[in-house]
Amino acid sequence: AQSVTQPDIHITVSEGASLELRCNYSYGATPYLFWYVQSPGQGLQLLLKYFSGDTLVQGIKGFEAEFKRSQSSFNLRKPSVHWSDAAEYFCAVVASGGYNKLIFGAGTRLAVHP
Amino acid sequence: DADVTQTPRNRITKTGKRIMLECSQTKGHDRMYWYRQDPGLGLRLIYYSFDVKDINKGEISDGYSVSRQAQAKFSLSLESAIPNQTALYFCATSDLTTPGYTFGSGTRLTVV
Repeated sequence: AQSVTQPDIHITVSEGASLELRCNYSYGATPYLFWYVQSPGQGLQLLLKYFSGDTLVQGIKGFEAEFKRSQSSFNLRKPSVHWSDAAEYFCAVVASGGYNKLIFGAGTRLAVHP
Repeated sequence: DADVTQTPRNRITKTGKRIMLECSQTKGHDRMYWYRQDPGLGLRLIYYSFDVKDINKGEISDGYSVSRQAQAKFSLSLESAIPNQTALYFCATSDLTTPGYTFGSGTRLTVV
């Protein structure tokens, strides 16, 4: 069965530091991959997505992610974190079988220290 | 107005009560989904629908039912609520050809 693993439940970084959130997926073919962000008390907002082509994708709010097929990974990065980036981040993959169903990871909660 | 609207935003109900969560969309998308979010578990799929005649169970459908009243409306019902159904519920929509969701703002349900 397909799955998404986000190994880090909580991450704390200092404001201005770089950030990398890990995501590993299991899927036989080329996956469609997503990162969503959920600010406290809010819904989910799409940060970026990968369907095909360039394996480094740019998203909103200065985030980027790199698809690495050999490692089954789609890690999210940001060179300099702002206090407003404190949120929960979810990686997701489109499941097989049609309907565009998404399978989500358990999420990584990011805290930012001043 | 939001593209995907969920009502109510918050609800507290008692064990054994029937409750309905509603979702409506103005995106014109044909695919609609209900997820629940629990801390440490991410989002898990409850039900999904391709159109008004197509309803499918997700990974955690027990204790839930849905109704697709129109292309734009997809309701989730808890026939007899229990405390472990306390969660944040999200409705989402998707286009036929483009993967990726538009989410509603969520309904926080507490069953006491």
